[in-house]
Amino acid sequence: GAGVSQSPSNKVTEKGKDVELRCDPISGHTALYWYRQRLGQGLEFLIYFQGNSAPDKSGLPSDRFSAERTGESVSTLTIQRTQQEDSAVYLCASSSGTFNTQYFGPGTRLTVL
Amino acid sequence: QKEVEQNSGPLSVPEGAIASLNCTYSDRGSQSFFWYRQYSGKSPELIMSIYSNGDKEDGRFTAQLNKASQYVSLLIRDSQPSDSATYLCAVNYGGSQGNLIFGKGTKLSVKP
Repeated sequence: GAGVSQSPSNKVTEKGKDVELRCDPISGHTALYWYRQRLGQGLEFLIYFQGNSAPDKSGLPSDRFSAERTGESVSTLTIQRTQQEDSAVYLCASSSGTFNTQYFGPGTRLTVL
Repeated sequence: QKEVEQNSGPLSVPEGAIASLNCTYSDRGSQSFFWYRQYSGKSPELIMSIYSNGDKEDGRFTAQLNKASQYVSLLIRDSQPSDSATYLCAVNYGGSQGNLIFGKGTKLSVKP
């Protein structure tokens, strides 16, 4: 079946602009996660959606970052007034089931000039 | 604070050897454990999951879990140059409602 998809695959923007990144989870997966990975670094948790529960936003680095998800479908991560330090690969994962096995999308590479 | 620790490496092994990757975690309440492989420029790919003490084998890969010692490892037998990647250990502390905590990864290099 189809895996997690993300769009765009690459995004180049100018400092100060807003960007939206999209994630389509695996069909039927109730949980969806966003991570950031800077070049040569580990995964940095950003936000987690589980069904209709309130999202866990504990990893969002600033109020410039926000995310939405409608039901168990698509999620959008928005970064307002982008800064150069926002340059990274943004990864989305989805999961379902008792053991919370996460499957990752291909990521969006964001470059802020 | 829940933590997952891995040696960052690089771990270098010759082709055909066994590569041993190790991971420790801080919370005894952990319920499930995962190994992901990440090639340079790619996203993490799930290669093994383990939920109970002991060994779990899948092809050339064996995951080992010791909950008493809070330790999980990944063995790669007959290592190939194509196994060269960063291996991420991840621990689920919260069951179906929880998130994974990822280690920073161990970089493996398999030399021909």
